[in-house]
Amino acid sequence: AQTVTQSQPEMSVQEAETVTLSCTYDTSESNYYLFWYKQPPSRQMILVIRQEAYKQQNATENRFSVNFQKAAKSFSLKISDSQLGDTAMYFCAFMKLSGSGNTGKLIFGQGTTLQVKP
Amino acid sequence: DAGVTQSPTHLIKTRGQQVTLRCSPKSGHDTVSWYQQALGQGPQFIFQYYEEEERQRGNFPDRFSGHQFPNYSSELNVNALLLGDSALYLCASSFDGYGYTFGSGTRLTVV
Repeated sequence: AQTVTQSQPEMSVQEAETVTLSCTYDTSESNYYLFWYKQPPSRQMILVIRQEAYKQQNATENRFSVNFQKAAKSFSLKISDSQLGDTAMYFCAFMKLSGSGNTGKLIFGQGTTLQVKP
Repeated sequence: DAGVTQSPTHLIKTRGQQVTLRCSPKSGHDTVSWYQQALGQGPQFIFQYYEEEERQRGNFPDRFSGHQFPNYSSELNVNALLLGDSALYLCASSFDGYGYTFGSGTRLTVV
């Protein structure tokens, strides 16, 4: 069975600074996707970034980037130029891909609460 | 374009009762998944519906059941409610299975 672990329950960062959230996962699968989701107080889970395991290049979306270390099963999220609107709970998630495509089942970590301070 | 819509927003039920939660997927999406999120925890997969059938299921008892309608909307039913069923229930929809759009959830409180 796959597991996702986020070892930082809470983090804080000053506005405009950079912060890195950690995530490790355990799987014997070779084909999978990894995700970072953001959940603000509005409760809606919002996709931040996605990484395909077969791609060596780390994914980037504007101020958000990942450091994907497949051998180490590590998937960290770096937020640059932090903004007050980045305050939220962040979840790392894993999805196995079947031979016929995706399985669609997301396995989430426990989450990291990030507070951006003015 | 409306995203995923869930109803109701909040719900209070008594232990032993039954509850039905509803989800309308994003326009163009045909796959619906349900997740249970306990306070301060990550969401846990309940089940997924595609073409009106349950495609896969997580580790939840049979008290949790669902349905998908021809218009792709979905319901989650929970029977014989327990205090431990109190949680945020999230619905997520997708077309290709890779990009999921989540709703804002239904907060269920069992007293």
